Amino acid sequence: GAVVSQHPSWVICKSGTSVKIECRSLDFQATTMFWYRQFPKQSLMLMATSNEGSKATYEQGVEKDKFLINHASLTLSTLTVTSAHPEDSSFYICSATKQGIGTEAFFGQGTRLTVV
Amino acid sequence: GENVEQHPSTLSVQEGDSAVIKCTYSDSASNYFPWYKQELGKRPQLIIDIRSNVGEKKDQRIAVTLNKTAKHFSLHITETQPEDSAVYFCAASKAAGNKLTFGGGTRVLVKP
Repeated sequence: GAVVSQHPSWVICKSGTSVKIECRSLDFQATTMFWYRQFPKQSLMLMATSNEGSKATYEQGVEKDKFLINHASLTLSTLTVTSAHPEDSSFYICSATKQGIGTEAFFGQGTRLTVV
Repeated sequence: GENVEQHPSTLSVQEGDSAVIKCTYSDSASNYFPWYKQELGKRPQLIIDIRSNVGEKKDQRIAVTLNKTAKHFSLHITETQPEDSAVYFCAASKAAGNKLTFGGGTRVLVKP
């Protein structure tokens, strides 16, 4: 099956610093990856769509200058949380789909970000 | 944009009984409806999905029904087991592989 890996699985950072989260498709190429955020006991909310070789598309209310997304290759997308604050503490999950149509999304294992 | 409502938010059932979770969606252009099971701190796992050209799909103890006219779909779990305890999410998108809009989730507890 298709494997999507996120790194790191968890990270603790100080307020005001930046954190980079990687999402890799290990055994397939993904032209599109999605980034979701999940607060405790809540649902997954789409933050942005990451497109290989072009700018990400952000959902309404998500600050593109705060959540920088780079999708430089067909197997890697990164999400950088800049100037992190405690309210950014959350579970960040990426998903990727294989090239072509009609295929399911494969999720990374998620990254637990805690800002102190 | 799409809006997905999910009910109930919590569901407690006795082992062996059935569990039913219902979702409604707003965008008539949605054609793909997956269901995910998520355990605490883990990634969502696809348990079953249905496309708009199908009214019902079954996989062992799990079944999903779709009513496109009414814009609602449901998950049915029969003969529940303690290992079915988890949070279940429905979702909708225009096609498999497109961005997903998730329902609010249902916390299912199966009592032995």
